Amino acid sequence: NAGVTQTPKFRVLKTGQSMTLLCAQDMNHEYMYWYRQDPGMGLRLIHYSVGEGTTAKGEVPDGYNVSRLKKQNFLLGLESAAPSQTSVYFCASSYPQGAPNQPQHFGDGTRLSIL
Amino acid sequence: QKEVEQDPGPLSVPEGAIVSLNCTYSNSAFQYFMWYRQYSRKGPELLMYTYSSGNKEDGRFTAQVDKSSKYISLFIRDSQPSDSATYLCAITESLSNQAGTALIFGKGTTLSVSS
Repeated sequence: NAGVTQTPKFRVLKTGQSMTLLCAQDMNHEYMYWYRQDPGMGLRLIHYSVGEGTTAKGEVPDGYNVSRLKKQNFLLGLESAAPSQTSVYFCASSYPQGAPNQPQHFGDGTRLSIL
Repeated sequence: QKEVEQDPGPLSVPEGAIVSLNCTYSNSAFQYFMWYRQYSRKGPELLMYTYSSGNKEDGRFTAQVDKSSKYISLFIRDSQPSDSATYLCAITESLSNQAGTALIFGKGTTLSVSS
């Protein structure tokens, strides 16, 4: 009964370092999303994927890359971390959003701090 | 102007109070309207959704949509300390390349219910 699992839960990086955030879902969902949540800004879509092997840009994609090599996994990469990327990152998954009774299921977030 | 506006609060009420949470949106083409609840250090979870003007009830919660005013509301009756959370309104928008829909979130309103 895991749902959406995000790894790691917390991380502190230095400016310029790289890292990858992992999202795994066990609900066989086609769609997966990465959001960032900042105080006063709400949730903003970074990248999304509508199926294995596909990715697309969301509202705030700059500085991030993503990959969806397996249907159940969606990776978010920071190639050269910047302090502006300090945030809480949420992954979500869903069936194709044809109707709202197929909601997005969220993980519990990765808290990332860039020094 | 962000497409969904929501007063971030915080909002503090005593137990048993009626709570009103509100959002406005700018694009009249939006069709589906949702409310997500987010507990501290957790991911958002879908609370209610509606797609037409009018009211929808679920226990102590009522979602209301006024498409003529582009105004959506969530009412909580007999509020409980367990209702203390951040409430995010969300609306659906079409993804590029007709790939389905994504969510646009309001900033969220933080509610605290004291016993």
